[in-house]
Amino acid sequence: GAGVSQTPSNKVTEKGKYVELRCDPISGHTALYWYRQSLGQGPEFLIYFQGTGAADDSGLPNDRFFAVRPEGSVSTLKIQRTERGDSAVYLCASSSPSGGDGGTDTQYFGPGTRLTVL
Amino acid sequence: AQSVTQLGSHVSVSEGALVLLRCNYSSSVPPYLFWYVQYPNQGLQLLLKYTSAATLVKGINGFEAEFKKSETSFHLTKPSAHMSDAAEYFCAVSDRGSNDYKLSFGAGTTVTVRA
Repeated sequence: GAGVSQTPSNKVTEKGKYVELRCDPISGHTALYWYRQSLGQGPEFLIYFQGTGAADDSGLPNDRFFAVRPEGSVSTLKIQRTERGDSAVYLCASSSPSGGDGGTDTQYFGPGTRLTVL
Repeated sequence: AQSVTQLGSHVSVSEGALVLLRCNYSSSVPPYLFWYVQYPNQGLQLLLKYTSAATLVKGINGFEAEFKKSETSFHLTKPSAHMSDAAEYFCAVSDRGSNDYKLSFGAGTTVTVRA
């Protein structure tokens, strides 16, 4: 079946602008995650959704970052007043409960959105 | 919070040679451990994971990893490298308990395979 998809694949914006990044999880996956991968580093956790609610947004760097998942499927990561330091690849992942501990659930990743802030 | 260290940001191996990628974690309590592979312009793909069963974990594409509590390590190996193994590899860890969904990744190791 279809994997996690993310749009756009590339986004170039100017400093101070607002951007939205979209994630379509695997159908039926109740959990959705956003990570950010800066150049030369591993992905860093941003936010975790279980259904429609953000269960853990502790990784969002500041209040310019916000994410929603209104119907428990598609999610949008929103960044206000973008800064050059926001340039990174934004990854989305989804998972379905395996019946065991949550840590055993496999997270399936999308290809990411490469955000460049000029 | 959990953290992992991947020794070596770049590894170059000859086709047919052993691939060994090193990963050490920080916790005194054994966490969940994962290896992911990332091909250019593709998403991260799970190679294997250690949860609580056998310490030698077999994954896809001929990879395996061994959990060693005494060394706090989870090194990834493949006996014979193939050209298609050229990619970036990430070790990741998550806590057991209420935050078990939160993956912490190492900085990654880029593997190149020489013909």
